[in-house]
Amino acid sequence: AQKITQTQPGMFVQEKEAVTLDCTYDTSDPSYGLFWYKQPSSGEMIFLIYQGSYDQQNATEGRYSLNFQKARKSANLVISASQLGDSAMYFCAMRERSSARQLTFGSGTQLTVLP
Amino acid sequence: DVKVTQSSRYLVKRTGEKVFLECVQDMDHENMFWYRQDPGLGLRLIYFSYDVKMKEKGDIPEGYSVSREKKERFSLILESASTNQTSMYLCASSGQALNTEAFFGQGTRLTVV
Repeated sequence: AQKITQTQPGMFVQEKEAVTLDCTYDTSDPSYGLFWYKQPSSGEMIFLIYQGSYDQQNATEGRYSLNFQKARKSANLVISASQLGDSAMYFCAMRERSSARQLTFGSGTQLTVLP
Repeated sequence: DVKVTQSSRYLVKRTGEKVFLECVQDMDHENMFWYRQDPGLGLRLIYFSYDVKMKEKGDIPEGYSVSREKKERFSLILESASTNQTSMYLCASSGQALNTEAFFGQGTRLTVV
């Protein structure tokens, strides 16, 4: 069964607008962590933001924030004030305490920022 | 500056060849991973290792094996390369804590002809 689901293969957003990239996950482990990575066309994987299952507040890192809805098992990435350089593939990933060594990824969302 | 280095950026191999992909990390991480990335499928875990000489199968281990003789080095082996193994291969390493991020190499684009 898919542990991480990203239902948006591609998204478009106008420069300077905000965009939300969806991620839902499936786990029975009460202790887990959620990660978002960015992969530009150059191919490097860039870590963006982390949310722990016990964290009381939504994670934020600069223009990135994570809309964490535990009951719905969703961890959507919000990018505010989009820039042309935000055009990239974005991956959601999860690590569970029960299998803490593994990092499982979703299929990704290709974001294109339009001028 | 932390680094995960993969030995090749591009490789072209013939069907049936034995192929070695090497990965080295300088962060003293316990965990190391091999993923393959294909369009529309995201990153799929092939194998990972949590200690020297220790390995566990990921989601798609068939046709692959791994070796970890030293903590800093994790090798992916294609015993007999096939055209369906043409893909981008990504190596990563991380610490063991739940909240620790993984660091990735630059990727190896393997083409099997």
